Amino acid sequence: AQSVTQLGSHVSVSEGALVLLRCNYSSSVPPYLFWYVQYPNQGLQLLLKYTSAATLVKGINGFEAEFKKSETSFHLTKPSAHMSDAAEYFCAVSLQYNNNDMRFGAGTRLTVKP
Amino acid sequence: NAGVTQTPKFRILKIGQSMTLQCTQDMNHNYMYWYRQDPGMGLKLIYYSVGAGITDKGEVPNGYNVSRSTTEDFPLRLELAAPSQTSVYFCASSNSGKAYEQYFGPGTRLTVT
Repeated sequence: AQSVTQLGSHVSVSEGALVLLRCNYSSSVPPYLFWYVQYPNQGLQLLLKYTSAATLVKGINGFEAEFKKSETSFHLTKPSAHMSDAAEYFCAVSLQYNNNDMRFGAGTRLTVKP
Repeated sequence: NAGVTQTPKFRILKIGQSMTLQCTQDMNHNYMYWYRQDPGMGLKLIYYSVGAGITDKGEVPNGYNVSRSTTEDFPLRLELAAPSQTSVYFCASSNSGKAYEQYFGPGTRLTVT
């Protein structure tokens, strides 16, 4: 079965610094990969998705992620952190386009220091 | 559009009690989902529905039931609450044309004591 592992349950960066949130996946077939963001007391919101097109995927709020098959990774980056980026981020993997088999990582909480 | 709404926001249940978590979406999405989120864990799919009258089990369905009589509503029923069901529950919906783009409700925090 497919799965994702998020390295680091908590990441802290200074405002203006690079954000790097790590996600590695396990899948027997080419996967679909997603990053979601969850702000306090809210539901999850899709940040970006990889569905076998371009390996570098751009999402909302200046985030992007690169699919690296050789490393089975889908790390999320943002060049310059903003205070408003503080949230919990979830990586997810699905083998089917209809998402009934989506598996989420445990999440990484991003803190941004002024 | 209100999007996906869930009620209640918080609830405390005693062991053995029953309750229904309500979920409504006004986007005319045919796919709907129920997830639970335990501390330090990712979301796990409980049940899903691909349209009115059609439901199916997800990864962790035991102890729950669902129904889908209309496109808009997808209630989740707990019949005999157990402490293991203490969690945050999220409802989501998506359009079949973009099933990966799920829209989530704000969640219901349930404690069973």
